[in-house]
Amino acid sequence: ETGVTQTPRHLVMGMTNKKSLKCEQHLGHNAMYWYKQSAKKPLELMFVYNFKEQTENNSVPSRFSPECPNSSHLFLHLHTLQPEDSALYLCASSRKDGEEKGEAFFGQGTRLTVV
Amino acid sequence: SQQGEEDPQALSIQEGENATMNCSYKTSINNLQWYRQNSGRGLVHLILIRSNEREKHSGRLRVTLDTSKKSSSLLITASRAADTASYFCAPRFTGANSKLTFGKGITLSVRP
Repeated sequence: ETGVTQTPRHLVMGMTNKKSLKCEQHLGHNAMYWYKQSAKKPLELMFVYNFKEQTENNSVPSRFSPECPNSSHLFLHLHTLQPEDSALYLCASSRKDGEEKGEAFFGQGTRLTVV
Repeated sequence: SQQGEEDPQALSIQEGENATMNCSYKTSINNLQWYRQNSGRGLVHLILIRSNEREKHSGRLRVTLDTSKKSSSLLITASRAADTASYFCAPRFTGANSKLTFGKGITLSVRP
């Protein structure tokens, strides 16, 4: 266990559905991240939150909508997704984004399948 | 975008052999981190080496860093079947807004 918990672990959704991914950490970290991992591609950094404020949006389509109500919780709201959005979505946290040491702790991921 | 590039893409060895994985990057770093990922799971931090360090050990892991060549290597000695996983390097580049980014990783298979 890394201290970062993601739910659900698996999700199948239709293209017209709305769903949310949840990430929770109680490590006292102030930075949280969403990454997308597709087969044969590098991990793609999607969003960064630092002290609850979004500090990075890596040109992510608006059908992905992040929310960070506090430093311990991060959500990714999904709507009208496409089949190519099927991937493993990973949440991570670190003490502070941009900090020199900045070791990241990852959740187990949500395997998303869009049908 | 900035990220490390791992080499080789895939590596298959016999249990008990050593596994050497390489990482190259293009701009200056504060540190370089190696992570491991079991199939379909999250990444786990293995080891961090700072830019002013040349070598670091942790159990069966040995990491080297050559900042003049902008490269790092991860050596796993006396490999075990349980070491089968994907391995990623993540350079922490200098700069206030440096992000932790990852390449495609190296798929290591250790045959029993």
